[in-house]
Amino acid sequence: SQQGEEDPQALSIQEGENATMNCSYKTSINNLQWYRQNSGRGLVHLILIRSNEREKHSGRLRVTLDTSKKSSSLLITASRAADTASYFCATDARTGSQGNLIFGKGTKLSVKP
Amino acid sequence: SAVISQKPSRDICQRGTSLTIQCQVDSQVTMMFWYRQQPGQSLTLIATANQGSEATYESGFVIDKFPISRPNLTFSTLTVSNLSPEDSSIYLCSVEVQTDTQYFGPGTRLTVL
Repeated sequence: SQQGEEDPQALSIQEGENATMNCSYKTSINNLQWYRQNSGRGLVHLILIRSNEREKHSGRLRVTLDTSKKSSSLLITASRAADTASYFCATDARTGSQGNLIFGKGTKLSVKP
Repeated sequence: SAVISQKPSRDICQRGTSLTIQCQVDSQVTMMFWYRQQPGQSLTLIATANQGSEATYESGFVIDKFPISRPNLTFSTLTVSNLSPEDSSIYLCSVEVQTDTQYFGPGTRLTVL
């Protein structure tokens, strides 16, 4: 079953506005990652936040993690039309020596110029 | 990070045939993963491919349908066998370069008629 669940499923904003996407998960994690996917292409890794971190920044991106609520948020500030994409959160699910990611359903962000 | 390429980028196949997808990485990596993304959906892990051992498949995926090769530390193939329209998806490979961080290839878009 899906570990991460993003909301909203779709978000439409104007250029310059901030976009906030949320992700909830069900089990304990070691880390949580956010990815961007442009129109059915490959995924681009945005940021990783570990379970002992509460907030992380990278350029216009700000990620928070609340392990007590099993939730994370991705904030994109001063959005641009080029930010239009689907955004996925992914949590690790380590089994023995293997690692794999469990992806949420994604938020489709549309930034209008 | 790592530079990952996939071939083909897209293909249209007839029902009952097979398609082999190649994944090439620009550096040696221990762990490679294959994911499927059905239309409008999130990513689902098919299997983990490690060099020198058989691939480990996730629940719902079997070797007869998705045979995987991993002949060396920079290359892997995924074959989707006995194609049906339900196999129409984007197939993505990924590698774990730094601990916990996965980087994805551009994906292969498969359409089955």
